[in-house]
Amino acid sequence: GAVVSQHPSWVICKSGTSVKIECRSLDFQATTMFWYRQFPKQSLMLMATSNEGSKATYEQGVEKDKFLINHASLTLSTLTVTSAHPEDSSFYICRAAGVGSGTDTQYFGPGTRLTVL
Amino acid sequence: GQNIDQPTEMTATEGAIVQINCTYQTSGFNGLFWYQQHAGEAPTFLSYNVLDGLEEKGRFSSFLSRSKGYSYLLLKELQMKDSASYLCAVSLPEYGGATNKLIFGTGTLLAVQP
Repeated sequence: GAVVSQHPSWVICKSGTSVKIECRSLDFQATTMFWYRQFPKQSLMLMATSNEGSKATYEQGVEKDKFLINHASLTLSTLTVTSAHPEDSSFYICRAAGVGSGTDTQYFGPGTRLTVL
Repeated sequence: GQNIDQPTEMTATEGAIVQINCTYQTSGFNGLFWYQQHAGEAPTFLSYNVLDGLEEKGRFSSFLSRSKGYSYLLLKELQMKDSASYLCAVSLPEYGGATNKLIFGTGTLLAVQP
């Protein structure tokens, strides 16, 4: 089956630094990438949706200048958390969808645990 | 806005049956998913309902009533390893086809006791 990878799986950084998270679809072309954030004991919150080659669409309340999303190719999307602060500490998960992938098999990445000190 | 509600926590006994409910009010509807998520891991797909009725898959069944905005996940013959969070998610026809937008419910933390 399709595999989606994320890198890094976990990262610890100092407050004020930027962190880039990569999401790769390994055996299919992901025309759309969805980025989610999950705080402890909470559900997944959709942050933004990106279509390959287009600007990302952000959900209400998500700062587009703080969470930069790039989807330059059909196999790679990146989320950059700029000037990270402790409140940005969370579990970030991507979900990839592409032409031909069934609606009953949406592919999640394994997630990235971000801790900002 | 989109509202998808689930009970926060449930407790059940090993070998028993548990039903986890999900109610939704969304701007569109293109199907409902159930996922299982263990702590620190990504969600794993359990079921998908697009038409009314019951879908059975082994120990797991999922029911949908579109007119009532209601779904449930039924877990039979509970095992200790079923202790996890269970998330329902509504697929919104944002882009069409396979690239639907998924909005998640609040999640239900299930604890299975011996």
